[in-house]
Amino acid sequence: GENVEQHPSTLSVQEGDSAVIKCTYSDSASNYFPWYKQELGKRPQLIIDIRSNVGEKKDQRIAVTLNKTAKHFSLHITETQPEDSAVYFCAAEPYGNKLVFGAGTILRVKS
Amino acid sequence: DAGVTQSPTHLIKTRGQHVTLRCSPISGHKSVSWYQQVLGQGPQFIFQYYEKEERGRGNFPDRFSARQFPNYSSELNVNALLLGDSALYLCASSFGGEAFFGQGTRLTVV
Repeated sequence: GENVEQHPSTLSVQEGDSAVIKCTYSDSASNYFPWYKQELGKRPQLIIDIRSNVGEKKDQRIAVTLNKTAKHFSLHITETQPEDSAVYFCAAEPYGNKLVFGAGTILRVKS
Repeated sequence: DAGVTQSPTHLIKTRGQHVTLRCSPISGHKSVSWYQQVLGQGPQFIFQYYEKEERGRGNFPDRFSARQFPNYSSELNVNALLLGDSALYLCASSFGGEAFFGQGTRLTVV
């Protein structure tokens, strides 16, 4: 079955710097890759996603890149702000509406 | 427009008991999935239902079961609770691939 690995497990950056989180997946059938942000005690919230027919997608300060050949995808956050501090999860969808999640990255933005 | 709603928000049960968790999807969403999130880990897929039929099942024991009703709401049932079942149980409704999560039910087994 699908396996998703996520790195790093924790990431500390200074406010205004960029943050990059990387994920790899194993099942070549996966074609949908969402990213979720989860604040303490709250639900995971979809922040950006990408499908396998695109290599990059941007939404303001957030971007995601996908390399299907290498089976990896990355989240890029520019100009980080303290409110970006949270746990970020990547996921892959090997078949309809089943998401396989990475273990998460704790992002701390220091002001 | 209401998002995904789950009830109850918190629950404390004793080992060996049974629990039923409920989920109402976003209006118009016919797919509901259940996930278990243990503290410090990513959500783990339990079940997916679409149009009242089970479409996927994760690596969970038979003590876990679910169903979907004609109005697309869903229930997750767990029998013979174990301490290790303590977790946040998340429901997600989907349309066109994007999954939106409810606030979850925090289950504590003592």
